[in-house]
Amino acid sequence: NAGVMQNPRHLVRRRGQEARLRCSPMKGHSHVYWYRQLPEEGLKFMVYLQKENIIDESGMPKERFSAEFPKEGPSILRIQQVVRGDSAAYFCASSPDRVMYEQYFGPGTRLTVT
Amino acid sequence: AQRVTQPEKLLSVFKGAPVELKCNYSYSGSPELFWYVQYSRQRLQLLLRHISRESIKGFTADLNKGETSFHLKKPFAQEEDSAMYYCALSRGGATNKLIFGTGTLLAVQP
Repeated sequence: NAGVMQNPRHLVRRRGQEARLRCSPMKGHSHVYWYRQLPEEGLKFMVYLQKENIIDESGMPKERFSAEFPKEGPSILRIQQVVRGDSAAYFCASSPDRVMYEQYFGPGTRLTVT
Repeated sequence: AQRVTQPEKLLSVFKGAPVELKCNYSYSGSPELFWYVQYSRQRLQLLLRHISRESIKGFTADLNKGETSFHLKKPFAQEEDSAMYYCALSRGGATNKLIFGTGTLLAVQP
């Protein structure tokens, strides 16, 4: 099992562009979590998805951010019209159905907005 | 609101010395508490959770509800313990999202 995969590992975008971050959960995992880590801060929860459903998006900024986890393919975190303040490390985690507390993390995507 | 506080950004100890990484939380219900660790160039991984009451790599953590603390301890530090340690809280239930502290960098000197 390759573990949680995230790509790209590094992403550079100019202000106003769109950023798409992808997360492939571990095989057999149908729960995906996205977290953001700003410099000098801990990881902050953004959104929790199950296949085709958003369960909890209480940590998502109200504008420009969206997430999906389609039936087929990876989960996508999309940031439209990026601003410098979006520069951060974005982590994805997945968990199996029966042991939801155990979250397995990906290596993260470091987004830099210039 | 739920909150996790790790007061130390950096903890530097010598090999063989005892280690205590502090974690305090605020939550009115019954939380689940975790310690995650990130070694250099590796991904974040679960170290231990309070419910299991186990010792992993010599580390233990006891949930103290009276002091709302979940400090991580190890009697004799090893150089390979050097890493970033994050305390996290979950309310459980439907979402199971984790609330993280800001982390403590443990540096074990030879």
